Amino acid sequence: TQLLEQSPQFLSIQEGENLTVYCNSSSVFSSLQWYRQEPGEGPVLLVTVVTGGEVKKLKRLTFQFGDARKDSSLHITAAQPGDTGLYLCAGTNFGNEKLTFGTGTRLTIIP
Amino acid sequence: DAGVIQSPRHEVTEMGQEVTLRCKPISGHNSLFWYRQTMMRGLELLIYFNNNVPIDDSGMPEDRFSAKMPNASFSTLKIQPSEPRDSAVYFCASSLRVGPQHFGDGTRLSIL
Repeated sequence: TQLLEQSPQFLSIQEGENLTVYCNSSSVFSSLQWYRQEPGEGPVLLVTVVTGGEVKKLKRLTFQFGDARKDSSLHITAAQPGDTGLYLCAGTNFGNEKLTFGTGTRLTIIP
Repeated sequence: DAGVIQSPRHEVTEMGQEVTLRCKPISGHNSLFWYRQTMMRGLELLIYFNNNVPIDDSGMPEDRFSAKMPNASFSTLKIQPSEPRDSAVYFCASSLRVGPQHFGDGTRLSIL
């Protein structure tokens, strides 16, 4: 069974601060996706990374896929209250549609 | 564009009752996924269909759970009989094969 462990589980910081969330596994994935989920809604895809070492930027969010394709990180610069939510990473395997979701990081940005 | 539509949004029922959750995927999508989300276990895949055919149901917890997809625009997840431990938020998602999954807003199920 492939597991994706996210850390920290909970994070509460002040508006304007920077933060990094981690997604780690002992297994190799063909791609890693990051989702954000707000209360009462389903997860919404933020980004997909597919190449080891790949870095993608989405405004203030920077996503990195580990060289060995076993881990990923999400860095947020100058966090804003609108960044508050549950962040989920999810891995896929070659030729398989199944997503294995991580344990989640619940982020709260305090105004 | 209409997203994935789930109904009902909330369901409260007594244990032993049959529960049916419904999902309408995005038009044109050919893969459909049912997930369950709880605080303890996170987001778990229960079953997924491709072109209306069940591909992997290894996540279905037990025989009390069943899912059908009679056509490309409709799927159901049924629990019979329901138990308190089935209380969770159930999500449906759809995608074009190996494309990104689009989630509905979920059904919050409470079994008393």
